[in-house]
Amino acid sequence: DTGVSQDPRHKITKRGQNVTFRCDPISEHNRLYWYRQTLGQGPEFLTYFQNEAQLEKSRLLSDRFSAERPKGSFSTLEIQRTEQGDSAMYLCASSSRATSGSADTQYFGPGTRLTVL
Amino acid sequence: DAKTTQPTSMDCAEGRAANLPCNHSTISGNEYVYWYRQIHSQGPQYIIHGLKNNETNEMASLIITEDRKSSTLILPHATLRDTAVYYCIVRSLGTDSWGKFQFGAGTQVVVTP
Repeated sequence: DTGVSQDPRHKITKRGQNVTFRCDPISEHNRLYWYRQTLGQGPEFLTYFQNEAQLEKSRLLSDRFSAERPKGSFSTLEIQRTEQGDSAMYLCASSSRATSGSADTQYFGPGTRLTVL
Repeated sequence: DAKTTQPTSMDCAEGRAANLPCNHSTISGNEYVYWYRQIHSQGPQYIIHGLKNNETNEMASLIITEDRKSSTLILPHATLRDTAVYYCIVRSLGTDSWGKFQFGAGTQVVVTP
């Protein structure tokens, strides 16, 4: 257990429905990341927060995807009008970078597995 | 970030040392080498990282060549629970204010009895 929790662990939904996932990072970590992982592939970066500011979004994050981190603590990832291609494991990670140039180890949660029927 | 090259798969006998190679020939001076592993259906687990010097922790050792173009992760006494996909990642920490990990396909390590 890394201290990063995700909820739910599994989600099955029908195409066209909206889904929301939650990530609770390690409490003192100011950085939070979302990744997506499809079968047989390594995780792919989606977006990143430093405190409550969303600083980077991947091209993978279409306009159906939105992420928030309203108080700089937990984060949510919402997918609207889900498609079968959205089926994947959604991973959250957090880190705390003390100084510029220092190591910034990310700790991952267990992931939320989404299945879109 | 520099790209990495890893073997697709490797087998290791239980109790023996597992040596996992990674090539990162385009690495630059401010880039760290990170290793993570992912056991089936779980999130990636941090193992170790290094910049120039060899590193050791309770899980593994990281050997980085002097020219930093390649590295080896060593699991000293592999157990069946070490069966996983191992990812070698090179990441720049320069003056950027953010940092994503770029995962490749990794090495599937199977530890056999």
